Formats: sequence, structure tokens, C-alpha cells
Amino acid sequence: EDQVTQSPEALRLQEGESSSLNCSYTVSGLRGLFWYRQDPGKGPEFLFTLYSAGEEKEKERLKATLTKKESFLHITAPKPEDSATYLCAVQSLSSGSARQLTFGSGTQLTVLP
Amino acid sequence: EAGVTQSPTHLIKTRGQQATLRCSPISGHTSVYWYQQALGLGLQFLLWYDEGEERNRGNFPPRFSGRQFPNYSSELNVNALLLGDSALYLCASSRQGARTEAFFGQGTRLTVV
Repeated sequence: EDQVTQSPEALRLQEGESSSLNCSYTVSGLRGLFWYRQDPGKGPEFLFTLYSAGEEKEKERLKATLTKKESFLHITAPKPEDSATYLCAVQSLSSGSARQLTFGSGTQLTVLP
Repeated sequence: EAGVTQSPTHLIKTRGQQATLRCSPISGHTSVYWYQQALGLGLQFLLWYDEGEERNRGNFPPRFSGRQFPNYSSELNVNALLLGDSALYLCASSRQGARTEAFFGQGTRLTVV
């Protein structure tokens, strides 16, 4: 069974204080790893997809990296508007042609001004 | 380009009733996914439709069902509502193919009283 564990559950940063969020996964073959941002009461907003170990993607203050066991979302010099819950999800090869995502519980990030 | 749209935004039903939730995918997307996000819990996969057919379902009882129409829009039906069905129901859509991202709508908040 596919499993995704995110840590920490919650993170409070001062504006400008860089940090990283962790996503550990267990799958029988990784098709893709996805990062989303979710604001309270809203649907998740797509950020990145990573497909193979060593791959990196960047968007503004965010950078996602992938190894064979985990992914990191690095946040550089965060701003209060970066406050949200960040979700990690995997799409597994073991589900055959099925393309649904298995999500972690998320990291709730708060950036204080 | 319009994103994934869901209706209604909020829905209040009485225990035992039926609820119908609707989703319109992004133009050009043929796959629709439904997820449940109960308070304090992660996103749980419900159903996947592609080209009008149900392709896979998550670990939910048959009370949860749906369909996809020829224009690729989709409907989720929840019968015999229980208090525990109260949650944010999220719809996502994607293109065909293995390496495709799923984009989410804003969700329908279902409250069962």
C-alpha cells in the first residue's frame, strides 16, 4: 500500500527565515510526486511534479527536490503570503493504469511578518 | 482558460437524504477525479472517471457513486447521508496520458445535519 508521510505537521517561520518541508514516501514504483498548496476552505493549487530521483523544480521562492525515498520543498526567504498548507502526493506505478493520487496529511506553514 | 468548476459551493442536507455534487473539468481534460477531505484528515481518493467510464474507486461504500457525461463533466452522488459524510468534496481534472498533472476545483462543502 502506498504511503506518504509529511513532516513537520506545522511550521512557524519569521518572514525571511528559510526552511524545508519533508515528504517521505513508500510506493511500489513511483510514477510521479506532486506538491500542492492549499489555503483554508479552498481546493489545492498545483505547484510541481517530479518524476525521477535527482530532479529539481523551482517557482519563485519555492524549490522542490526528489530522491528515491523522499522529497523536499525548500522555501527561501518566505513571505506572509506563503502561509498555507503544503500537500505532497504520489502517483504509483503499482496501481496499473489508475492515476489517482495518494496524499500526505500536509504541513501547515505560518510565516509571521 | 477557465479552471475546474464545482457546484454548489455549499450544501446542507439532512441525515438519510441524497446529495448531488457537480464538476466541470478544464477544457481538453477527459479525466475527472473525486476526493473527500474531512475535517482534520487528508484527501482521500473516491472515484476516477475517464472517457465516460468509471476507471477506479477508493475504499468507500457503494453509497458513493457518480458518472461522467459526454462533455466530460461529472456528478458525484452520495446516498443515505450520514453525519460522517460532512466534508469538503474536491474534484480534479487532467489530460489523458501517464505524466499529467491534476488540477483541483474549489470544492463543495457538504454539511449533514
